[in-house]
Amino acid sequence: DTAVSQTPKYLVTQMGNDKSIKCEQNLGHDTMYWYKQDSKKFLKIMFSYNNKELIINETVPNRFSPKSPDKAHLNLHINSLELGDSAVYFCASSQNYRGGGETQYFGPGTRLLVL
Amino acid sequence: QKEVEQNSGPLSVPEGAIASLNCTYSDRVSQSFFWYRQYSGKSPELIMSIYSNGDKEDGRFTAQLNKASQYVSLLIRDSQPSDSATYLCAVKWGHNAGNMLTFGGGTRLMVKP
Repeated sequence: DTAVSQTPKYLVTQMGNDKSIKCEQNLGHDTMYWYKQDSKKFLKIMFSYNNKELIINETVPNRFSPKSPDKAHLNLHINSLELGDSAVYFCASSQNYRGGGETQYFGPGTRLLVL
Repeated sequence: QKEVEQNSGPLSVPEGAIASLNCTYSDRVSQSFFWYRQYSGKSPELIMSIYSNGDKEDGRFTAQLNKASQYVSLLIRDSQPSDSATYLCAVKWGHNAGNMLTFGGGTRLMVKP
């Protein structure tokens, strides 16, 4: 009974390729997030969507394009992959973003390796 | 640049001892504070949240917040080997519209049997 799920779990690809990561939450939350965790374990926000609308874009290269078809799904498409994109990408969700329901719950992560 | 800082560790404590994890943050206008635990190869899971000055206890865990000194700490009583993990401190700044969390780099805790 997974709350926040991501696919795929592992992704190994060549530089220059385009890839997508999918995220789904069955918690009924309004807000979803993408985080990147690099090799030094720093977890950094990339995007946040509330009810399919973008509310945070943290100076991420425009090779990264999030898409939210509905409030239960937030996908991440990455164009022209670079070596530095290798990291673990976590999806998260929270009830809302204005306070009160702000606790974020994380998915299992997608380990991306760019060769 | 708003920052959250933690000692990377490892912090090594014997089983049954109290583990004390500290976190400092740079902006006085900070609203909410969270401690997440992350086992190796796994995702962060929330342990505690704290919003006002003082102590908040939940089982073996106590979060302490001192806004004047800009630090938040996590105490783990009766530490168990299963507590061995990386502990991430996260801060939500008071004037951000989107519930953005800024994470520290984490402290690795090792509890030795």
